[in-house]
Amino acid sequence: GIQVEQSPPDLILQEGANSTLRCNFSDSVNNLQWFHQNPWGQLINLFYIPSGTKQNGRLSATTVATERYSLLYISSSQTTDSGVYFCAVDSNTGGFKTIFGAGTRLFVKA
Amino acid sequence: GAGVSQSPSNKVTEKGKDVELRCDPISGHTALYWYRQSLGQGLEFLIYFQGNSAPDKSGLPSDRFSAERTGGSVSTLTIQRTQQEDSAVYLCASSLGGPTSYNEQFFGPGTRLTVL
Repeated sequence: GIQVEQSPPDLILQEGANSTLRCNFSDSVNNLQWFHQNPWGQLINLFYIPSGTKQNGRLSATTVATERYSLLYISSSQTTDSGVYFCAVDSNTGGFKTIFGAGTRLFVKA
Repeated sequence: GAGVSQSPSNKVTEKGKDVELRCDPISGHTALYWYRQSLGQGLEFLIYFQGNSAPDKSGLPSDRFSAERTGGSVSTLTIQRTQQEDSAVYLCASSLGGPTSYNEQFFGPGTRLTVL
C-alpha cells in the first residue's frame, strides 16, 4: 500500500522562526490534507490541498502531486503552533482508505 | 454549525466487556470515517461509510470490531470482548462528499478507551 513519510519527526523552534515540514507519498493519491493536533488531542484542519499552493495567515502549503510530495510552511512561529502536524492522503488502490503519516512533533520555545 | 461530536469522551472498561462508541457527524455530511490512535502514534484507518453503507470492512482490527450507521447520520463502533490492546483514542470524522469527490474530513474530539 501507499507509504506516507513525514520529516522531520521532531522540531524545536525559537518563537519567531520559520520552518518547513515535508510529506512524501509513494504513489498517486486523490486527496491530501494537513492537520494540526493540539495538546488536547483535537485535530484541526489546516489545508485541503490535493495540488497547488494555498495560504492561510502565517501558514502555507504546496503539493506537487506529480513528484509525490507536499510541504507545509510555518512562518513567524508562535508557542501556540506547538503540537503534532500530520499529513493524510486518500488512496483508492485496493479499496479506499485514508493514510496518515507519523507526524512532525513541533515545539516552539518562548 | 456544530462540528463532529463523539460520546462518551472517556470510557474505562474491564477486559472482556463490550463497549459502544458513538459518532454524530456534521449535518449533511454523507461520508463518515472511524480511526484509532494509540498513545503517541499516528492515526489508523478503520472503516468508512458512504451513506449507511460500508463498502470495505477489512481495516477493522479483528472480528470483535463492528460498525454501523443508520439514517445516514449517527454511527456506532462496537468492540466486543475488549482486550487491553484495544486501549486507544477512537476518532471519528465526516466529510461532505466521499472518496471519489471533495473529501475534506473534519474530526471529532475522540473517545479515549481504557481497558483494564
